[in-house]
Amino acid sequence: DAGVTQSPTHLIKTRGQQVTLRCSPKSGHDTVSWYQQALGQGPQFIFQYYEEEERQRGNFPDRFSGHQFPNYSSELNVNALLLGDSALYLCASSFRTGGNTIYFGEGSWLTVV
Amino acid sequence: DAKTTQPTSMDCAEGRAANLPCNHSTISGNEYVYWYRQIHSQGPQYIIHGLKNNETNEMASLIITEDRKSSTLILPHATLRDTAVYYCIVSSSQTGANNLFFGTGTRLTVIP
Repeated sequence: DAGVTQSPTHLIKTRGQQVTLRCSPKSGHDTVSWYQQALGQGPQFIFQYYEEEERQRGNFPDRFSGHQFPNYSSELNVNALLLGDSALYLCASSFRTGGNTIYFGEGSWLTVV
Repeated sequence: DAKTTQPTSMDCAEGRAANLPCNHSTISGNEYVYWYRQIHSQGPQYIIHGLKNNETNEMASLIITEDRKSSTLILPHATLRDTAVYYCIVSSSQTGANNLFFGTGTRLTVIP
């Protein structure tokens, strides 16, 4: 049983460009959350998707958007990239019900130059 | 905002038990305590979580005080591969509220 998978693992973008990151949740999980982890800091919650809708959002600007597909997979889009968007982007999946185990993928390293 | 307090760093001798403390004095009745660890450049790895009772799995034991205001993660026989940043997180059990707010964690170094 595959866990949470993310792609790509590494990418480099230029300031002002747009990027799309992808996530496949652990089998059976219906809820996907995205996190941003800057170097030397803990992961910060971006948003959560369930039933193809954004359900909760952290303190991130509208440049950060997402999507969830009927098969529960998800995308994170970041527009108008800034140098400060350089980070490890993590996807986590779980069942909707609270108190369940939340699993993380290995992340996508984004470098903005 | 993080609702837990952890020591910044700890050392542990290889083969000994590593006891990582966490304070969560404002925890509410419906919040679980989760522990994750992160080895450099990898995604956070789930270790264990619990609500009220002590929990044990193949990786670790979680001891939660009776008043639930603090907990201890115990790695029974630390190895060099346990060197990592360990995060203690409280998260609601309410449906849809299962997001994790990470603090700065404890950097555990296992010494040969």
